[in-house]
Amino acid sequence: NAGVTQTPKFQVLKTGQSMTLQCAQDMNHNSMYWYRQDPGMGLRLIYYSASEGTTDKGEVPNGYNVSRLNKREFSLRLESAAPSQTSVYFCASSSQGNTEAFFGQGTRLTVV
Amino acid sequence: LAKTTQPISMDSYEGQEVNITCSHNNIATNDYITWYQQFPSQGPRFIIQGYKTKVTNEVASLFIPADRKSSTLSLPRVSLSDTAVYYCLVGSGGGATNKLIFGTGTLLAVQP
Repeated sequence: NAGVTQTPKFQVLKTGQSMTLQCAQDMNHNSMYWYRQDPGMGLRLIYYSASEGTTDKGEVPNGYNVSRLNKREFSLRLESAAPSQTSVYFCASSSQGNTEAFFGQGTRLTVV
Repeated sequence: LAKTTQPISMDSYEGQEVNITCSHNNIATNDYITWYQQFPSQGPRFIIQGYKTKVTNEVASLFIPADRKSSTLSLPRVSLSDTAVYYCLVGSGGGATNKLIFGTGTLLAVQP
């Protein structure tokens, strides 16, 4: 039982490049989330998906897009990376109506 | 969404009981109170969740007064391995407001 799996674990991008962060969960959860965490800071919600086929903005959505590909997968895309997007990105999932979320191990992204 | 306020940091010694209080004055009727623990370079991990009075599990206890405007996470007999950031969240986790918003958290430092 893998839980929440994120790929890649590390990535270095040049300013202006694009990339997609992948997230998959095997717990049959309806809800999925993307967060970013800057050094020494708390987690900030980028986007979330309450159920398959729906996505909503979180606290800091600018510069990001998401796709809920199916119930298992929720991807985060940076169309034109900026140094301000250097951060650790966490994906999480939870069952509907439950605030107990399960997190992946994170993707450490550096934009130079 | 109810905002939460926690102390930025706390210090303790091994073997002591630690109480971390969270203020959530605008908590809604349907909201639950959830606590997470985060170690460096890892995603947050669910600790405990409650609605009112007291909840206890193998890791911690959660005390919620009758007005539910605050809550206290109690960690009995902490060890060095309990050094982490602890987050208090308030929310329903379901329906149209399926957001999990993390605050800045409390950095607990346990010393020998």
